[in-house]
Amino acid sequence: DVQMTQSPSALSASVGDRVTITCQASQDISDYLNWYQQKPGKAPKLLIYDASDLAAGVPSRFSGGGSGTHFTLTISNLQPEDFATYYCQQFDNVLFTFGPGTKVDVK
Amino acid sequence: QITLKESGPTLVKPTETLKVTCTVSGFSLTTDGVGVGWIRQPPGKALEWLAISYWDDDNRYSPSLKTRLTTTKDTSNNQVVLTMTNMDPLDSGTYYCAHTTGFGELGYWGQGILVTVSS
Repeated sequence: DVQMTQSPSALSASVGDRVTITCQASQDISDYLNWYQQKPGKAPKLLIYDASDLAAGVPSRFSGGGSGTHFTLTISNLQPEDFATYYCQQFDNVLFTFGPGTKVDVK
Repeated sequence: QITLKESGPTLVKPTETLKVTCTVSGFSLTTDGVGVGWIRQPPGKALEWLAISYWDDDNRYSPSLKTRLTTTKDTSNNQVVLTMTNMDPLDSGTYYCAHTTGFGELGYWGQGILVTVSS
């Protein structure tokens, strides 16, 4: 089974900052990697699919990169509504696996 | 537009069986590639993928839970049901269903249902 790790597990940032979160897969998953944003008490929201494609309606300050085993989610010019927890998720054509999450809070 | 909504018991006793229903609208459960996935989240913890039910009746389960999970589809009522046996307090949390086009993304989510396992 593919295992996912994320780093850091939490980070503190200020509005306007550039933030990068890393996700690592235990084996090559090509670009079958998605990113979600979750706010307290709410369902997750798809941000990025296929490693780098922006989901509909997602602001362009969000971007994704990487392939194989190493992936990144970057938020440029962090906005107040971006303070949330972010999860990566892989799909190996059979099973899904989520990463442990990265909480972005206010510095 | 695509919507999903979970329903079911909010309190179950240890050893009981949980059944959560996902009622969908805005898409067909029999469209090529479409799947409905199940994900849970214990309070304050990370998301955990449980299962997926595809348009062609192919069902996949988390290896760590596969002996306890079953998914069934009722296409006439646009519903997918997740059944989890032998519930334990550690199974408490919010249970979500979500739509996928079959390419691994979960693009639309239900609001979730909070299930507590307690005697």
